[in-house]
Amino acid sequence: AQSVTQPDIHITVSEGASLELRCNYSYGATPYLFWYVQSPGQGLQLLLKYFSGDTLVQGIKGFEAEFKRSQSSFNLRKPSVHWSDAAEYFCAVAPRGSTLGRLYFGRGTQLTVWP
Amino acid sequence: EAGVTQFPSHSVIEKGQTVTLRCDPISGHDNLYWYRRVMGKEIKFLLHFVKESKQDESGMPNNRFLAERTGGTYSTLKVQPAELEDSGVYFCASSPLGLSTKETQYFGPGTRLLVL
Repeated sequence: AQSVTQPDIHITVSEGASLELRCNYSYGATPYLFWYVQSPGQGLQLLLKYFSGDTLVQGIKGFEAEFKRSQSSFNLRKPSVHWSDAAEYFCAVAPRGSTLGRLYFGRGTQLTVWP
Repeated sequence: EAGVTQFPSHSVIEKGQTVTLRCDPISGHDNLYWYRRVMGKEIKFLLHFVKESKQDESGMPNNRFLAERTGGTYSTLKVQPAELEDSGVYFCASSPLGLSTKETQYFGPGTRLLVL
């Protein structure tokens, strides 16, 4: 069965500390990979996406993610967290080559940033 | 450019009542999606419109849910009659017409539905 796993429900970091949010997927073939962020009262915003090529993807707001085929992972990282990064983060996948656009999401990771 | 808008932002209804959620996609976006997040669980796909046609409705939970997109612009999602398990946040997303899985989906802020 297709699945997306975000093992950390809630993470707390201090401002200025580094951050890594984990995402693992289970699919027959490498899907397209996405990270979204939802700030309070806002819709989900796309941070970055991976389709092919360089396995280290740069996104907005200083985020990056690394695709590791051997681990079926697409972890999100940021070297120095800002208080405004406090939000909920969602990993999502879409089947490669499908004409359908549906996304499959993980359960989300809530990030709290201490001043 | 306006983003995806959803109305209402919150709705509290009693079991057995009817609720209609509305989504206005970004102008010109032919793809429109509905998703739902039940508390504590993942965001789940409900259905996908391409213009006014239902491209994929495999995620609709049962026949109490009816989605429409008249004229290929805004969409409504009606729940009739509502049950307790329908509570959650309903998200709408839109994207331009293209290779659907590669197009970025732009999400609205969601409608928080509580069924008592």
